[in-house]
Amino acid sequence: SQTIHQWPATLVQPVGSPLSLECTVEGTSNPNLYWYRQAAGRGLQLLFYSVGIGQISSEVPQNLSASRPQDRQFILSSKKLLLSDSGFYLCAWRAGSNGQPQHFGDGTRLSIL
Amino acid sequence: QKEVEQNSGPLSVPEGAIASLNCTYSDRGSQSFFWYRQYSGKSPELIMSIYSNGDKEDGRFTAQLNKASQYVSLLIRDSQPSDSATYLCAESFGNEKLTFGTGTRLTIIP
Repeated sequence: SQTIHQWPATLVQPVGSPLSLECTVEGTSNPNLYWYRQAAGRGLQLLFYSVGIGQISSEVPQNLSASRPQDRQFILSSKKLLLSDSGFYLCAWRAGSNGQPQHFGDGTRLSIL
Repeated sequence: QKEVEQNSGPLSVPEGAIASLNCTYSDRGSQSFFWYRQYSGKSPELIMSIYSNGDKEDGRFTAQLNKASQYVSLLIRDSQPSDSATYLCAESFGNEKLTFGTGTRLTIIP
């Protein structure tokens, strides 16, 4: 069966510091991968998605970036965090064929001080 | 711009009753529909997928899809306190992305 791992679970970072969140999927090949952010009490905001190695689509212009160095690895990065980057970051995967649902990791709760 | 609309709630339902959650969507071409449950502080969990008009049942959950009216609903029978959560509706046109609603907060009252 497929599993998705996301770490760390919580992170406290100062403003202006860099960020690296990692997500890996097991048990499937060539998945679609997604990064979402959820502000407290709000809906899901799609940040990036990827349909293959090195292929990144950005949904929202901001100081975040994403990379997919391996088939089942998706990384969210920032060079300098802002206060507004605080939130609950979720990685998700989906089988490549149409009509499939997305499955979420456990998330990373990021607090910027 | 695709939209998925949900009543944000909160929706309060007595324990043992039927909870009814509704969702409307704007894209007539939408083909796939999903319901996710999200407990406070946790990530969303897929509970139902539906692709064809009509009802789909899974245990205490029934998803209903009406493409002509562009709505999808989720019924939870014999509601339990453990069903208290935010329920997210999502749709897909078959491309890579899902469009999510903002969720309905459901509270089951013992």
